[in-house]
Amino acid sequence: GNSVTQMEGPVTLSEEAFLTINCTYTATGYPSLFWYVQYPGEGLQLLLKATKADDKGSNKGFEATYRKETTSFHLEKGSVQVSDSAVYFCALSDWGFGNEKLTFGTGTRLTIIP
Amino acid sequence: SAVISQKPSRDICQRGTSLTIQCQVDSQVTMMFWYRQQPGQSLTLIATANQGSEATYESGFVIDKFPISRPNLTFSTLTVSNMSPEDSSIYLCSVPGQGVYEQYFGPGTRLTVT
Repeated sequence: GNSVTQMEGPVTLSEEAFLTINCTYTATGYPSLFWYVQYPGEGLQLLLKATKADDKGSNKGFEATYRKETTSFHLEKGSVQVSDSAVYFCALSDWGFGNEKLTFGTGTRLTIIP
Repeated sequence: SAVISQKPSRDICQRGTSLTIQCQVDSQVTMMFWYRQQPGQSLTLIATANQGSEATYESGFVIDKFPISRPNLTFSTLTVSNMSPEDSSIYLCSVPGQGVYEQYFGPGTRLTVT
């Protein structure tokens, strides 16, 4: 079955530091890959997505590249801000087998200190 | 994007009782999803609810424990029955987004069972 393995947290960084949150996946079809973010007290929001190999998703300064050869979708940001403090979830959906559900990683709590 | 509200936002319940969670969407959608997020863990899909048909439950979830109603295209309820402390979780509803297998999530209902 499908699975997502995500870098364990919590992660604490200083403002303006470089961020990487690792995500690898296992899927039997042709998954689309997502990063969702959950800010304190709010619901999950889609941060970015990539639907095929070598696609790069980007939003709000965050980027992630769909790497089929390493089955990875690592989240990066060059300079984090305090407002980026949140829980980040990597997720996949598998188009090839008609699944209409998302499989999530365990989430990584990110705290940015001024 | 869809706007989703959930009621209640949080509750503390006694063991053995039941709680019904409501999910309201500001647009008509055919499919709605219910997820559980146990403390420190990832989101797990409980069931998919289509209007006019029985909900489809994922492995490990049964209708007697988590009955779902879907009376119209903008509303659904999830009941957590005969609760135990292991049911303490955040319960989220979601609907499909505009992109391939994107989903919009509600803010969640934080349930604590004592």
